[in-house]
Amino acid sequence: ETGVTQSPTHLIKTRGQQVTLRCSSQSGHNTVSWYQQALGQGPQFIFQYYREEENGRGNFPPRFSGLQFPNYSSELNVNALELDDSALYLCASSFAGTDRGYTFGSGTRLTVV
Amino acid sequence: AQKVTQAQTEISVVEKEDVTLDCVYETRDTTYYLFWYKQPPSGELVFLIRRNSFDEQNEISGRYSWNFQKSTSSFNFTITASQVVDSAVYFCASRSTTSGTYKYIFGTGTRLKVLA
Repeated sequence: ETGVTQSPTHLIKTRGQQVTLRCSSQSGHNTVSWYQQALGQGPQFIFQYYREEENGRGNFPPRFSGLQFPNYSSELNVNALELDDSALYLCASSFAGTDRGYTFGSGTRLTVV
Repeated sequence: AQKVTQAQTEISVVEKEDVTLDCVYETRDTTYYLFWYKQPPSGELVFLIRRNSFDEQNEISGRYSWNFQKSTSSFNFTITASQVVDSAVYFCASRSTTSGTYKYIFGTGTRLKVLA
């Protein structure tokens, strides 16, 4: 079975720009979550999608938004990029109701200059 | 509110030594899950173990073992006979079972360096 794949692996953007990060869930998983991991920190929950609806959100401003598609893949969009948005963005998938651990992707390293 | 504390920022050991990574959690929930993940330089978080709050049995998997003590709100992780390949950042995390959201609260991680 395939794992979680994220694209791109690295990205450099300018402050004020917009960015879209993509994630393909592990086969059979129907829930996708996104996390932001700043350098030297633990991952911070951004939001979660289930059945194409956001069903949980962390302490992130509205300029962080997402989508989940019928095939359970997902996008994370960030508008009006700020320098502090520079981080590793991790996508994680799971199957709702199983209470198993997430399967994480390798992440997208975003640098805002 | 939930919180996970990993007080050890970085640990260095010589190969074949045993090492214990500490994790202390805070939660008001009566049921919850605890996890350990390994993050190698590639960035991917690798799942190591999940523990339900009802199950306080210690667990051993090869060179890895976990000690869960509700009385002290700790979920410590021991690597026996460490190897260079164990070098990574290790994260402890918790998740409430009362929320429908699979929101994990991670600690700040412990960087383990195993020297040859």
